[in-house]
Amino acid sequence: EPEVTQTPSHQVTQMGQEVILRCVPISNHLYFYWYRQILGQKVEFLVSFYNNEISEKSEIFDDQFSVERPDGSNFTLKIRSTKLEDSAMYFCASSEALLSGRDPYEQYFGPGTRLTVT
Amino acid sequence: AQSVTQPDIHITVSEGASLELRCNYSYGATPYLFWYVQSPGQGLQLLLKYFSGDTLVQGIKGFEAEFKRSQSSFNLRKPSVHWSDAAEYFCAVSTPGTYKYIFGTGTRLKVLA
Repeated sequence: EPEVTQTPSHQVTQMGQEVILRCVPISNHLYFYWYRQILGQKVEFLVSFYNNEISEKSEIFDDQFSVERPDGSNFTLKIRSTKLEDSAMYFCASSEALLSGRDPYEQYFGPGTRLTVT
Repeated sequence: AQSVTQPDIHITVSEGASLELRCNYSYGATPYLFWYVQSPGQGLQLLLKYFSGDTLVQGIKGFEAEFKRSQSSFNLRKPSVHWSDAAEYFCAVSTPGTYKYIFGTGTRLKVLA
């Protein structure tokens, strides 16, 4: 069964450094998302991406964050200058397009990247 | 603003006992509703979803959920819990016009042998 993959599984970085989290969505999906889960807290929406542009973003997704689909398979989340409070599990998700006849609301999640900022 | 409440942070049940996890949402119309499960160190796996139609939906692993519009609830149930069901369960909603999910705070299920 197709699945969303994420790399790395765990990333440790120093405060102020840039990190790039990578995701490979399911191949025929056209909507992509990033969520984060701070330890012990709920999963929070960061951003959705469709047709090579951001379709929606949360208040958390400020100027230090960016997303990109650099090629036909990868979807990345960049954090420009990490802060201690960016330590969290970051989940990538994808969903199908409306034209596929399937509902785009069902999102498939990757296993997550645990980001630790020291 | 939309919100999701899972009133129970922790629930402990004995193996073989029945289970009900509560989820309430706040939204003016009927949202799209989901239950996900997260095992330790794992990602989020979809258990079931409700978009419209029959208010009792069946999911994987023997789970079901019932949508009750009058109570703004979408409670998850399982008639007989297995030790492997120990995990964290998240209720989520999405609404027409936006594809983002809003998650509840989760309920951690512990199963006693």
